[in-house]
Amino acid sequence: ETGVTQSPTHLIKTRGQQVTLRCSSQSGHNTVSWYQQALGQGPQFIFQYYREEENGRGNFPPRFSGLQFPNYSSELNVNALELDDSALYLCASSSGLQVTQYFGPGTRLLVL
Amino acid sequence: KNEVEQSPQNLTAQEGEFITINCSYSVGISALHWLQQHPGGGIVSLFMLSSGKKKHGRLIATINIQEKHSSLHITASHPRDSAVYICAVCKKTSYDKVIFGPGTSLSVIP
Repeated sequence: ETGVTQSPTHLIKTRGQQVTLRCSSQSGHNTVSWYQQALGQGPQFIFQYYREEENGRGNFPPRFSGLQFPNYSSELNVNALELDDSALYLCASSSGLQVTQYFGPGTRLLVL
Repeated sequence: KNEVEQSPQNLTAQEGEFITINCSYSVGISALHWLQQHPGGGIVSLFMLSSGKKKHGRLIATINIQEKHSSLHITASHPRDSAVYICAVCKKTSYDKVIFGPGTSLSVIP
């Protein structure tokens, strides 16, 4: 176990709804990255937070937003869900930049 | 052209065989990760490399920065090694984002 937890483990939503996914970092880690992994694909970088500030963003629309709290836990919010948002969402924490990232188990989101 | 490529895409091996998975990339990097993902599961980081070679148990990872190439070797493969192995690189940008390869699906048959 990596010490990184995510909730919920599974989630079903319908098109147009909003969803919030949560990630609790490993103790002492101040950096969290979020990834989307569609079925049969490699993970795609969504964004990274470092000490509560966004530190980089991949090619995802603004309806994907994030937040990192003072205890370094993090949320990923997706508004106006689309069918193609169905995927495994992974978060990874690290103790800084350019160091090993530790991945959580992921949240499986299904949009109907 | 993908910035990170892996070969082979799929691999089936008999238990006990020596396995090699290759990764090539086209961007400047600060580090390279080898990751393991079991079916339905999350991702486990196996190695992080910036030069040379690392060994952990039956796993060996090497990287050649000049040739922009890395290999993951599994000695004495076992059915529990069956998983998707993903190569991921940290780009030399101000954001140090991680770019993932497409993965190599390994199946080890008893």
